[in-house]
Amino acid sequence: DTEVTQTPKHLVMGMTNKKSLKCEQHMGHRAMYWYKQKAKKPPELMFVYSYEKLSINESVPSRFSPECPNSSLLNLHLHALQPEDSALYLCASSQGVYRNFYGYTFGSGTRLTVV
Amino acid sequence: AQKVTQAQTEISVVEKEDVTLDCVYETRDTTYYLFWYKQPPSGELVFLIRRNSFDEQNEISGRYSWNFQKSTSSFNFTITASQVVDSAVYFCALRNDRGSTLGRLYFGRGTQLTVWP
Repeated sequence: DTEVTQTPKHLVMGMTNKKSLKCEQHMGHRAMYWYKQKAKKPPELMFVYSYEKLSINESVPSRFSPECPNSSLLNLHLHALQPEDSALYLCASSQGVYRNFYGYTFGSGTRLTVV
Repeated sequence: AQKVTQAQTEISVVEKEDVTLDCVYETRDTTYYLFWYKQPPSGELVFLIRRNSFDEQNEISGRYSWNFQKSTSSFNFTITASQVVDSAVYFCALRNDRGSTLGRLYFGRGTQLTVWP
């Protein structure tokens, strides 16, 4: 299995809703990432988990709450989002964040619309 | 500071033409990694190539080729005999090997390639 699987593929939520995005990989990768991508822009890093511990938080608002329950699973919990949070949310994984780095595998993303 | 510049925002070609996508990067590190990703309209980022800073060999993979030149800090990507299926946004990205920024992938703004039949 050489994939990163993200669910759901599309999500529409109201500003008062609570929802979660899910990301799963079974490649034995120990680093996992959340990126946010607005239309016609490059992906922007949000969070990095290394060995299930949060190692980078790019000053993301607290209405985004990441969680890494185990080495294969990464969640992004959403609460009280704003319409400007509408974007493509991409998950990625890699063998590690440290030296001898071999590259990232990206999921196909969740297209989030906040209404 | 790390920076990736893709000066070409949009490129349009007709099928079977060759096209080169430019990428210029900035880093103070001696060890770094460069990537090219393809993003079709469906959204996923498809890995195309990774090159580390110690490996300046050019690479060819089918219709794709990459030219890495440290002297000009460039990592250009050429598609030979382009096809409609090559239409996508292409991102060049840089990752360095330095402590506080480990794990960060610095993307260029992307080049939208459209191949017309």
